[in-house]
Amino acid sequence: DAKTTQPNSMESNEEEPVHLPCNHSTISGTDYIHWYRQLPSQGPEYVIHGLTSNVNNRMASLAIAEDRKSSTLILHRATLRDAAVYYCIRRGTSYDKVIFGPGTSLSVIP
Amino acid sequence: NAGVTQTPKFRVLKTGQSMTLLCAQDMNHEYMYWYRQDPGMGLRLIHYSVGEGTTAKGEVPDGYNVSRLKKQNFLLGLESAAPSQTSVYFCASSYVQGRHSNQPQHFGDGTRLSIL
Repeated sequence: DAKTTQPNSMESNEEEPVHLPCNHSTISGTDYIHWYRQLPSQGPEYVIHGLTSNVNNRMASLAIAEDRKSSTLILHRATLRDAAVYYCIRRGTSYDKVIFGPGTSLSVIP
Repeated sequence: NAGVTQTPKFRVLKTGQSMTLLCAQDMNHEYMYWYRQDPGMGLRLIHYSVGEGTTAKGEVPDGYNVSRLKKQNFLLGLESAAPSQTSVYFCASSYVQGRHSNQPQHFGDGTRLSIL
C-alpha cells in the first residue's frame, strides 16, 4: 500500500512555526518522501523531498524519522501565503503507484 | 520560461462530446503525467509517459486516451464525455536524472472541465 496518512486539517498562527506530520509506515527502502502544496485554484507546487536524512531548502525543512515510518514538514515561520493543502507522498520505482491523498489543509491565522 | 502550460483553462461539454486537453512543457522533461482531482480529494493518475512515443495507464485510465507525439506535448483525449468525468485535470512533468523517484514533478494550473 503506497498511501500516506496525514491529518485532515491544521491551524497555525502567523509567524509561528508549523509542523505537518505524515505517516508512511509501509515505506520501502527505496521510496523517497516528497511534499507538495496546493494553493486555491492552482496546481500542486513542489516543496521538498528526502530519502533518509533531514533536508532543508528555502521553503521548508523535512525531518525524517530514523525508521522512516514518518516524517514532518516544518515551516519555520508561517505566513498567510502558506495557507494551502499540503500533500505528503511516497515516490518509488513504479510510476503508477504515486498516490496523492486528501492532504492536510493548513489555515494560517493572522 | 512558462513551465507547464495547459490548454484550455475551462471547458463545458455535453455528454457524448469529445475533446482534447493539451499540455505543453518547455523544460525538456522526459516524463509527463495526467491527473484528475475531484472536490475534497487528492490527485489520481490517469495516464503517464516516460518519453516521446510512449504512454502507459495510471490508476484511473478508463474513458481517456493519450498521445505523446512530441517530447514537449502530452495530449489527453475524451472520446465520449460522461458527467463522471467532470473534474479538474492537471498535467505534470519531471526530469530523468538519476532515480525517477528523486525528481520533483512540475504541475500546470489545471483545466476545469464540466460535462452536462
